[in-house]
Amino acid sequence: EAQVTQNPRYLITVTGKKLTVTCSQNMNHEYMSWYRQDPGLGLRQIYYSMNVEVTDKGDVPEGYKVSRKEKRNFPLILESPSPNQTSLYFCASSFRRADGYTFGSGTRLTVV
Amino acid sequence: AQKVTQAQTEISVVEKEDVTLDCVYETRDTTYYLFWYKQPPSGELVFLIRRNSFDEQNEISGRYSWNFQKSTSSFNFTITASQVVDSAVYFCALSESYGNNRLAFGKGNQVVVIP
Repeated sequence: EAQVTQNPRYLITVTGKKLTVTCSQNMNHEYMSWYRQDPGLGLRQIYYSMNVEVTDKGDVPEGYKVSRKEKRNFPLILESPSPNQTSLYFCASSFRRADGYTFGSGTRLTVV
Repeated sequence: AQKVTQAQTEISVVEKEDVTLDCVYETRDTTYYLFWYKQPPSGELVFLIRRNSFDEQNEISGRYSWNFQKSTSSFNFTITASQVVDSAVYFCALSESYGNNRLAFGKGNQVVVIP
């Protein structure tokens, strides 16, 4: 089944403890992105990648890192999480711009 | 930069009524792509439709229909004979033909269908 898989679905962590949210797609898509969703703010792009080893900042990149060493994987790294990073995170992939994104199921992160 | 506006935040309808969700967009690009996504209470984002800027044909899919009007920069979505399962947040989104393949989302419309 064609899909974007992100893990974990739910995560509660403490301020400052490094964490990684994994994302993998099995559709051979070139484009991948991370979004965060917050009440009243909608969905905002954190980082994106146009291909292996090509990544760039989106609208809200502060406090996040990504890497794209393989086409299928695009992990999101929070080196030192803070409470303002409590949010619902979505990974997404796309073959081309006209297709729009296929989204993962989301990761609900709480930083206390 | 592209921008998408969905003015109504929460809309309540009684089951079997029709509901129309307005989406107005801004872009300087002549080639762009418009999308609608559904987010049910379970939280995932479900793709509903895409439209490119050169295709102004309206589309109907079951009880869903979309009206794209380039002249008013609008891409409205109508649910006919709403059902409780239509209760969700609906997002309109826009992608331009250059740059970072960023999907710019509107704030979403919370649709509540009352049985």
